[in-house]
Amino acid sequence: NAGVTQTPKFRVLKTGQSMTLLCAQDMNHEYMYWYRQDPGMGLRLIHYSVGEGTTAKGEVPDGYNVSRLKKQNFLLGLESAAPSQTSVYFCASSYLGQLNQPQHFGDGTRLSIL
Amino acid sequence: LAKTTQPISMDSYEGQEVNITCSHNNIATNDYITWYQQFPSQGPRFIIQGYKTKVTNEVASLFIPADRKSSTLSLPRVSLSDTAVYYCLVGTGYQKVTFGTGTKLQVIP
Repeated sequence: NAGVTQTPKFRVLKTGQSMTLLCAQDMNHEYMYWYRQDPGMGLRLIHYSVGEGTTAKGEVPDGYNVSRLKKQNFLLGLESAAPSQTSVYFCASSYLGQLNQPQHFGDGTRLSIL
Repeated sequence: LAKTTQPISMDSYEGQEVNITCSHNNIATNDYITWYQQFPSQGPRFIIQGYKTKVTNEVASLFIPADRKSSTLSLPRVSLSDTAVYYCLVGTGYQKVTFGTGTKLQVIP
């Protein structure tokens, strides 16, 4: 049982380039989330999805776009990467969105923008 | 949105019991209290959640007083492998809570 898988694990981009981070979960969860974590800080929610075909903005959505075309996949896109987007990105999923149920996290994608 | 306050860091020797307290004075009636653990270079991992009184699982215990304005995560007999950051979340849904900076626990041999 793989749980939540993030691809790629590491990436270096130049300013202005675009890329897509892929998150896949095999637990049939409805909710999926994208977070970023910067040094010495907690996780900040970028975007989330409450089901296939739906997306919503989180705390820090600017500069990112997301899509949830299939229930098991949640994609995070950077259209024009900026150095401020250098971070570790975590994807998570949960059966429902309530805090009394656990979120399952991937191992992260370490992204550097030069 | 309940604001939480927890210590920035704590040190403990191996084998000791560690208690990490989280303050959440404006907790709402429907809010849950949930704790996560994060090791370096890994995503957070769910530890325990509760609503009131005491909850215990194979990893930790969670103590919640009657007024629910605080909660205490208790880790029995910690080992070096318990060195991690511990986050306290309070709310109803993940899309409306913040992880904050957590408590960095350092276990000393």
